[in-house]
Amino acid sequence: NAGVTQTPKFQVLKTGQSMTLQCAQDMNHEYMSWYRQDPGMGLRLIHYSVGAGITDQGEVPNGYNVSRSTTEDFPLRLLSAAPSQTSVYFCASTPGSGLAANVLTFGAGSRLTVL
Amino acid sequence: KQEVTQIPAALSVPEGENLVLNCSFTDSAIYNLQWFRQDPGKGLTSLLLIQSSQREQTSGRLNASLDKSSGRSTLYIAASQPGDSATYLCAVLTTDSWGKFQFGAGTQVVVTP
Repeated sequence: NAGVTQTPKFQVLKTGQSMTLQCAQDMNHEYMSWYRQDPGMGLRLIHYSVGAGITDQGEVPNGYNVSRSTTEDFPLRLLSAAPSQTSVYFCASTPGSGLAANVLTFGAGSRLTVL
Repeated sequence: KQEVTQIPAALSVPEGENLVLNCSFTDSAIYNLQWFRQDPGKGLTSLLLIQSSQREQTSGRLNASLDKSSGRSTLYIAASQPGDSATYLCAVLTTDSWGKFQFGAGTQVVVTP
């Protein structure tokens, strides 16, 4: 049981480049989400999904795109990278139902630097 | 909009002392509150989840309390150890914003031997 897997762990981009951060979970969780963590600001929600085919915006969605074609995968796309998107990105999931419905399981994070 | 605050931002205690970590939130209409631990360069690990109907939750040396009316939760770690050194974050799920967990900035804890 791998839990939540994020790739890549590290990435350096130039301004204007695009890329996709991958997130996969093998726990059959309905809810998946992407956060960014910046020093002194805690985690801020970018996008989330309550099931395959359903996505919604969080607190800081601009410049990011998501899709949820399967229950397992929830990729985050940076359309045209900007230095302000330099951050550590975390993917997280919850079962969405049952006793542990809202217990978040996090991936190890992806550190992105935009030059 | 729900605002979650954790004060202090950093805390240093000698080994054996009890740790008291605070989390404040502005909207008392919450669904639940979670406490997490984050080690440097790692993801977050869930420690405890308190439902809005509960007053406290315990796991081993950890005890978390919830007072919705005052907008506060406290995480107690008994008899701290150097291995407890980490950043502790709380997150709130508000009833009218399901799916949108709101995080505090965290308290960085150092337990000195």
